[in-house]
Amino acid sequence: DTEVTQTPKHLVMGMTNKKSLKCEQHMGHRAMYWYKQKAKKPPELMFVYSYEKLSINESVPSRFSPECPNSSLLNLHLHALQPEDSALYLCASSRQANTEAFFGQGTRLTVV
Amino acid sequence: GENVGLHLPTLSVQEGDNSIINCAYSNSASDYFIWYKQESGKGPQFIIDIRSNMDKRQGQRVTVLLNKTVKHLSLQIAATQPGDSAVYFCAENTGTGFQKLVFGTGTRLLVSP
Repeated sequence: DTEVTQTPKHLVMGMTNKKSLKCEQHMGHRAMYWYKQKAKKPPELMFVYSYEKLSINESVPSRFSPECPNSSLLNLHLHALQPEDSALYLCASSRQANTEAFFGQGTRLTVV
Repeated sequence: GENVGLHLPTLSVQEGDNSIINCAYSNSASDYFIWYKQESGKGPQFIIDIRSNMDKRQGQRVTVLLNKTVKHLSLQIAATQPGDSAVYFCAENTGTGFQKLVFGTGTRLLVSP
């Protein structure tokens, strides 16, 4: 099983809403990541979790709040987003720092 | 860095041709590199990786070449098929202890039957 599962696939939310993106993997990977990808652009790293602890926050605004409840799950809590936050949000996981990262299919987020 | 682009370079090939996609990376200290394929509406799919102590690695129909002197990475796809049509990204690991992937601008590969 080399699958990273993200839900929901699509999400439309208002600027005052609170929503959460979910990511799950059962490969035993201890590093998990959130990336943001705008149209026609490459993915950009947001957060890195290693052994369920936040290791890297790439200066992401506080309206994005990550959470790692256990080694298989990664959440991204969203609150008071702006229309420019509309993007494809990708979750990934890897066994170690220098091994391949597997990506999920992403959540297409639209902020209205 | 290399990951800010206003347009996507495109490589158009005929089915059966060999394709070469190039990438310039930014950090001379990067020690791990990955090529990803991304189809429309999907997440990036791992193709092949290479560590900085190697200059060539081969997979099934794909070869990655690494030239650390000029900070250049290439992906060669043999006998390109229509199903290979996608956007291809190189990524370098700029992290120490943690994986911090920095993606290149991307190249769109269009394969005509």
